[in-house]
Amino acid sequence: EAQVTQNPRYLITVTGKKLTVTCSQNMNHEYMSWYRQDPGLGLRQIYYSMNVEVTDKGDVPEGYKVSRKEKRNFPLILESPSPNQTSLYFCASSLSPPRGQGPQRGYTFGSGTRLTVV
Amino acid sequence: GQNIDQPTEMTATEGAIVQINCTYQTSGFNGLFWYQQHAGEAPTFLSYNVLDGLEEKGRFSSFLSRSKGYSYLLLKELQMKDSASYLCAVRDANSGYSTLTFGKGTMLLVSP
Repeated sequence: EAQVTQNPRYLITVTGKKLTVTCSQNMNHEYMSWYRQDPGLGLRQIYYSMNVEVTDKGDVPEGYKVSRKEKRNFPLILESPSPNQTSLYFCASSLSPPRGQGPQRGYTFGSGTRLTVV
Repeated sequence: GQNIDQPTEMTATEGAIVQINCTYQTSGFNGLFWYQQHAGEAPTFLSYNVLDGLEEKGRFSSFLSRSKGYSYLLLKELQMKDSASYLCAVRDANSGYSTLTFGKGTMLLVSP
């Protein structure tokens, strides 16, 4: 089954304790992205990757790191989590088709990771 | 940058029709998407428009006017399970073909 798999689904951690949220896709997608979703603010992009070893900042990258060493994996790293990073996180992937070609479904999303930092 | 606006909340009655509007401002428009998101779950794809006009898919239709920077999602024969948040997202060619910017979402509540 084509899917994006995130782990863990739920995580409660303490301020300053490094954590990694994993994301893996089995669709051979070039493009992967991380979003956070907060009430009243919607989905905001943290980082994205156009392909292996190519990553770039989104709208809210502060406090986060990512890596793209393999095409299928795109982990999100919080080196020193703080309470303002409490949020619902989504990983997403897509093909990067040339303009006007291919099926257009935008992203396939993972099931989400609800992170609480206390 | 991009600016995407949609109403925060809407209510409707089971069996009725509802239209959710979305306006956007972007320098390199390259497609508009609608997603449905139930509480605590991942967004799921509903529709895609890149040319002006109406795209119909069962009970859901989506309309786009590029000159007006305007789209709407039309839901017919509403069912209780349609209670969800509806997200408008715009793809900007200047940001890469796959980067989507999302509106804040419209929470739709369908009542009996």
